[in-house]
Amino acid sequence: KAGVTQTPRYLIKTRGQQVTLSCSPISGHRSVSWYQQTPGQGLQFLFEYFSETQRNKGNFPGRFSGRQFSNSRSEMNVSTLELGDSALYLCASSLGQGRSDTQYFGPGTRLTVL
Amino acid sequence: AQTVTQSQPEMSVQEAETVTLSCTYDTSENNYYLFWYKQPPSRQMILVIRQEAYKQQNATENRFSVNFQKAAKSFSLKISDSQLGDTAMYFCAYGGGADGLTFGKGTHLIIQP
Repeated sequence: KAGVTQTPRYLIKTRGQQVTLSCSPISGHRSVSWYQQTPGQGLQFLFEYFSETQRNKGNFPGRFSGRQFSNSRSEMNVSTLELGDSALYLCASSLGQGRSDTQYFGPGTRLTVL
Repeated sequence: AQTVTQSQPEMSVQEAETVTLSCTYDTSENNYYLFWYKQPPSRQMILVIRQEAYKQQNATENRFSVNFQKAAKSFSLKISDSQLGDTAMYFCAYGGGADGLTFGKGTHLIIQP
């Protein structure tokens, strides 16, 4: 079974631009979570989607948004990019949204904001 | 809010040795899950092992085992017969609240030949 895939793998943007990252979960998984990883803050939870609905959201500004499609694929969007948004963005999928469901991660998208 | 603390930023051991990585957490919940993830230089997060808090038996996966002390809120990872491929960042993670997984800052483990 194929793992979680994320596209693109690398992205370079300038301040003020917007960006969309994509995540395809493992086949059969209905929950997708997004995390931001930076050297300073470590791994931080962005949001979780299940059955096309955002179930939970971390402590991030409204510039960070996402959505999930009927095939469980998910996208996250960051508008008005800031230098501090440079990070590795990780997507993880799980079967359901229960706390017992193990999350499996994709390879990440490395975003650099200049 | 839950917190996860990994007190060892970096550890280095010789190949074939046994190494233990420490993790403590803070929570007021009774039902939760704990995980160890490995992140090699490729940056792909790989699940190493998971533990259900309601189970007293410590989880094991081949050379990897945990020492779960619920009362002490401690969850350490033991790697036996360490191999060069074990070199990576290791993250302890708590799963139980509504805010996804809560991760520790990580331990950089280096296996020396």
